Formats: sequence, C-alpha cells, structure tokens
Amino acid sequence: AQKITQTQPGMFVQEKEAVTLDCTYDTSDPSYGLFWYKQPSSGEMIFLIYQGSYDQQNATEGRYSLNFQKARKSANLVISASQLGDSAMYFCALENQGGKLIFGQGTELSVKP
Amino acid sequence: EADIYQTPRYLVIGTGKKITLECSQTMGHDKMYWYQQDPGMELHLIHYSYGVNSTEKGDLSSESTVSRIRTEHFPLTLESARPSHTSQYLCASSVPRTGSGYEQYFGPGTRLTVT
Repeated sequence: AQKITQTQPGMFVQEKEAVTLDCTYDTSDPSYGLFWYKQPSSGEMIFLIYQGSYDQQNATEGRYSLNFQKARKSANLVISASQLGDSAMYFCALENQGGKLIFGQGTELSVKP
Repeated sequence: EADIYQTPRYLVIGTGKKITLECSQTMGHDKMYWYQQDPGMELHLIHYSYGVNSTEKGDLSSESTVSRIRTEHFPLTLESARPSHTSQYLCASSVPRTGSGYEQYFGPGTRLTVT
C-alpha cells in the first residue's frame, strides 16, 4: 500500500531561521514523484517543489529545498530564511504511476516575528 | 500560471438539495481530479478522469458523481446534499512533466456547507 506520513502536526520557527518539515513515504512503485504544497488559510494549494524518484540531485526552488533520502524513504522540506508569509499548512504528497496524489496529514507551520 | 477554475468558491445549501460543483481548465490537460478535504486534514482523492468519457472513483468513497463530456470541463454532482458532505472540494489537472511524473495544477477550491 502507498502511504505518506507527516509526523509533525505543528511547527514553530523564528523569522529568518531555517526549518525542516518531515515526510516519509511508502511505495512499491519503481518510479514515483514527491511533491510539497503550501496551503494558506484561504485554501488554495500552492505548488512548492517536486522530486522524481530517479533524480540524482535534491530539488531546489528558491528558498525551498528537498532533502531526498531514497533508502530511508524520506523527502523532507527545508525552508531557509523563514518569512512571516510562510505561515501555512504544508502537505507532502506521493504521486503514483497513474499521476494520482496521495497526501500526508499536513504540518502547520507558524513563523514567529 | 495555472488556468483552472472552480465555481462557486463558497456554497451554503440545505439538506436534500442537488448541487453541482464546476471545474474547468483551459490548458487542454487530459487528466483531471477531484479531492475532498475536511478542515485541517489531508486531501483525499474521490474521482479522477484520464480523458473524455473516462471517469473512475478514487481512494475515498464518495456519494458524488462526475462526468467528463469535454476535455476542459469536469463537474461534480451531489444528488442530495447532507451535512456529512460539508467539506472543501479541490479540483486539479495534470500534464506529463519533462522527464518523468506529472505537473499538477489545483483550482482555488469550493467550500461547501450543508445545513
């Protein structure tokens, strides 16, 4: 069975500090993708970063980087230099070969001034 | 820039009413999805379509139905709304990504409240 686990229901970080949001996954598909989305209180899903299972390098997108450890089946999101606007729910998602997404439970990030 | 639209954004309706949530995309994507999300919880796939006249149920059982008569349009219908249907409904579409995987685009969502 495919599964995504986010074990941190809530996280706090000081403004301008870095924060790591944890995500582990389970799949038997040889090829898969991992996504991170940000969901502010308004409800829309904002794409942050994508990692393919065969990608040799960890994905980076601006202040976002993905710490991909395939053997450990983890895909942690690192946000550098946190900003107040980063306060939101963050979801990790596993994409299977059919293109469907399986989401984790989410982590609520609060950035303190 | 994603061009995927959902209407209405907010809907409050009484028990027993029939409702249709609209989703449309102008990108010509074949794959489209409906996710259901309770407040503060994860998204669950309830329906998906891989093209015109193709619809499948997702991982979470839902009393809703969908249709895909045109590529750009993927409406979701509840024949008789109940309070248990109160949730946010998110529509998405995807296109193959260069290399592997898919690029997923989400609409803004519809927040449904059934009284």
